[in-house]
Amino acid sequence: DAGITQSPRHKVTETGTPVTLRCHQTENHRYMYWYRQDPGHGLRLIHYSYGVKDTDKGEVSDGYSVSRSKTEDFLLTLESATSSQTSVYFCAISESEHTGTSGFNTGELFFGEGSRLTVL
Amino acid sequence: QKEVEQNSGPLSVPEGAIASLNCTYSDRGSQSFFWYRQYSGKSPELIMFIYSNGDKEDGRFTAQLNKASQYVSLLIRDSQPSDSATYLCAVEGGYNKLIFGAGTRLAVHP
Repeated sequence: DAGITQSPRHKVTETGTPVTLRCHQTENHRYMYWYRQDPGHGLRLIHYSYGVKDTDKGEVSDGYSVSRSKTEDFLLTLESATSSQTSVYFCAISESEHTGTSGFNTGELFFGEGSRLTVL
Repeated sequence: QKEVEQNSGPLSVPEGAIASLNCTYSDRGSQSFFWYRQYSGKSPELIMFIYSNGDKEDGRFTAQLNKASQYVSLLIRDSQPSDSATYLCAVEGGYNKLIFGAGTRLAVHP
């Protein structure tokens, strides 16, 4: 199994409070991602990183920020949590890009176990 | 907005039958396509990827890609109860982003 650890695994918080989710990897993979998963929507990309201090927005980035100061850690912060951010958050890592048409690099995503966040 | 569409299901098939899961995508420029399986309460895991038009077989799984029609499918032969899960179609969405469909729930009954 890929060495990915998410923390906390479960969190209940109140509207307006800041929340930080941590993703830690031991694989030294370049790419790291934060997704959220909601019923009927599947996995939606929040932010991703392609190296230390190199990050970019995904399709649902509003209300979220990220930081990557070390290869192994990717933090997702909700500055002021809202009820619409109640979700399951998955961190994922990838060694290579998704367009590995050579067949050697699939761009496979390895997912963490998820963090269930409830905002009351 | 690039989109990936899947029928949410549930798709119910008897044990031993062929399960057929379909996916359509909106971005004609997409080059890479993936099928992930997700058991209830667990994280997704990759089961197949395909880049070229046609079929790609791996054990009981066959991925089919038709870029002209912009659809990807996954066939599961000799379906087993252990195949019961949600199957997520994912399409490369430019600069190392994957766009996921909402998933199709498959139920294989004995």
